Amino acid sequence: GAGVSQSPRYKVAKRGQDVALRCDPISGHVSLFWYQQALGQGPEFLTYFQNEAQLDKSGLPSDRFFAERPEGSVSTLKIQRTQQEDSAVYLCASSLATAYTEAFFGQGTRLTVV
Amino acid sequence: RKEVEQDPGPFNVPEGATVAFNCTYSNSASQSFFWYRQDCRKEPKLLMSVYSSGNEDGRFTAQLNRASQYISLLIRDSKLSDSATYLCVVNRDNNNDMRFGAGTRLTVKP
Repeated sequence: GAGVSQSPRYKVAKRGQDVALRCDPISGHVSLFWYQQALGQGPEFLTYFQNEAQLDKSGLPSDRFFAERPEGSVSTLKIQRTQQEDSAVYLCASSLATAYTEAFFGQGTRLTVV
Repeated sequence: RKEVEQDPGPFNVPEGATVAFNCTYSNSASQSFFWYRQDCRKEPKLLMSVYSSGNEDGRFTAQLNRASQYISLLIRDSKLSDSATYLCVVNRDNNNDMRFGAGTRLTVKP
């Protein structure tokens, strides 16, 4: 497809379980972002890649969160030992790497930790 | 203090009303600015960019005040279909490093 694709759309994890969330950006988009969106809140920045380089990971809430984009295309956000407070929608966005261009979002992965 | 701040609302207005949203940002080096719209349980989508001189797209007008680090969105003649959350977005640098406000929720009622 032509848009940003995220999988799975929904994930239920038991507390303590590890999860991996996948993002397929739009082909040719250099920049890739991960955001966490809690219910009723705006998207909170987690991390940002330009190609395979992770330029900013200051938004990752703890060392249980890890993101990678090894070939500069598909990205994976991994959460280890999930906690209930990790329950949120995880949004991925991609864009061209210039300041004035639109970012396109995937539909998100809704993670529920029980 | 958050880097991008918005009044969360909610704003409840009748059809045909004019409504304005404000947003402030703290990083004076921010390069570009946008308003995104997010419908319930959907992903955010670009509504419009915000240019230094101000810009208009139909019923929507966006303005930027760099000196005060302030962005606004004005919606005229509001429609039921305008009901959504409006997100202020700021690019911190030339690499499209985007930061979002928490969003302002708008409900337009008949």
